[in-house]
Amino acid sequence: EAGVAQSPRYKIIEKRQSVAFWCNPISGHATLYWYQQILGQGPKLLIQFQNNGVVDDSQLPKDRFSAERLKGVDSTLKIQPAKLEDSAVYLCASRQMTGKGSPLHFGNGTRLTVT
Amino acid sequence: ILNVEQSPQSLHVQEGDSTNFTCSFPSSNFYALHWYRWETAKSPEALFVMTLNGDEKKKGRISATLNTKEGYSYLYIKGSQPEDSATYLCAYSIIQGAQKLVFGQGTRLTINP
Repeated sequence: EAGVAQSPRYKIIEKRQSVAFWCNPISGHATLYWYQQILGQGPKLLIQFQNNGVVDDSQLPKDRFSAERLKGVDSTLKIQPAKLEDSAVYLCASRQMTGKGSPLHFGNGTRLTVT
Repeated sequence: ILNVEQSPQSLHVQEGDSTNFTCSFPSSNFYALHWYRWETAKSPEALFVMTLNGDEKKKGRISATLNTKEGYSYLYIKGSQPEDSATYLCAYSIIQGAQKLVFGQGTRLTINP
């Protein structure tokens, strides 16, 4: 099966600019996650979708970050305006919703550098 | 606040040696414990998903154990090879509708040839 697709792989922007990341999950996976991984730390959940509905966005900085999953398939994550501390790897993952033993399937991530 | 601790943060092991590291998590409301391997320039890859106290899982030279009562899991690698060099992440979820997964900071393993 095709894996989770993310783009772009790398992005360099200046602070106060905007940026958007795209994710296409594995076909049929109802749950989609966006994680932020800052160097030296573990991935932190930004937002979790179940189909096209948000089930957890408690750690999403909503003053600058937004995400959507139209039609319950592809998702985009946007940062506007970016800050230096947003430099991180942004990981998208998807998961089947059958049983508690199902793992996450990750994309390759987008490495964002804010200068 | 859910807190997942992994130790050590980094580890250097000689090729051929065996090694292990730890994931500690809150023991209440346990639902599942995941282990992932994340190689440089690749995507994190699932190793194990463990749900029952006393679970032991094995995949080649890698195995894991789970103790939900005391809140820890061990990952073992037998006869380390250079291709085992990666960051190993554990993630924990509690019983709740969203099944939120909380990750530890990872153990970065380097195998010296």
